Amino acid sequence: QQPVQSPQAVILREGEDAVINCSSSKALYSVHWYRQKHGEAPVFLMILLKGGEQKGHEKISASFNEKKQQSSLYLTASQLSYSGTYFCGTETGNTGKLIFGQGTTLQVKP
Amino acid sequence: NAGVTQTPKFQVLKTGQSMTLQCAQDMNHNSMYWYRQDPGMGLRLIYYSASEGTTDKGEVPNGYNVSRLNKREFSLRLESAAPSQTSVYFCASRSGGAYDTQYFGPGTRLTVL
Repeated sequence: QQPVQSPQAVILREGEDAVINCSSSKALYSVHWYRQKHGEAPVFLMILLKGGEQKGHEKISASFNEKKQQSSLYLTASQLSYSGTYFCGTETGNTGKLIFGQGTTLQVKP
Repeated sequence: NAGVTQTPKFQVLKTGQSMTLQCAQDMNHNSMYWYRQDPGMGLRLIYYSASEGTTDKGEVPNGYNVSRLNKREFSLRLESAAPSQTSVYFCASRSGGAYDTQYFGPGTRLTVL
């Protein structure tokens, strides 16, 4: 079942912070975060494993609440380059199969 | 390293025509995937191959077939294209180790008239 992302869209000024949430109705094994620019392929940002560390981007952090089956992506001091659509991909076991949320569109303005 | 490559980049078909989308990866990854992306729907998994010689259905497999030709190549075939298959198609690959993730190709933009 597809995870649910919130908000669907957010507009920021440069330097502001944003949080994007990803919720699943199933127990999660891992959460993967991607960013996609218009007309391009999704690019990997962050992976969080159940009971493990997070690994990914320097200026972007994330959390994984295993009890609530939720993950949040934290974008601090946003830059123009952060604009794009953010997707979470979830795995319910070590299956190798990711199911993606519908995406959150982030626009950073000068 | 080219990563994941896809051909063609663009294609226009008429309803009922058939075609094959090609995908290749040079990262020696075990798993490969086909997704379609429609506005507001995110990325939906069509088929995947956990390893050479195996394929499994994803969320939206109807109207598609796949072939894992070898470890490098994974093709997606539309036997009789329909307008509902107008979409952007992404291929991805994954190594299968701890903390690994999927790497996406550049996509194929398909229009079915």
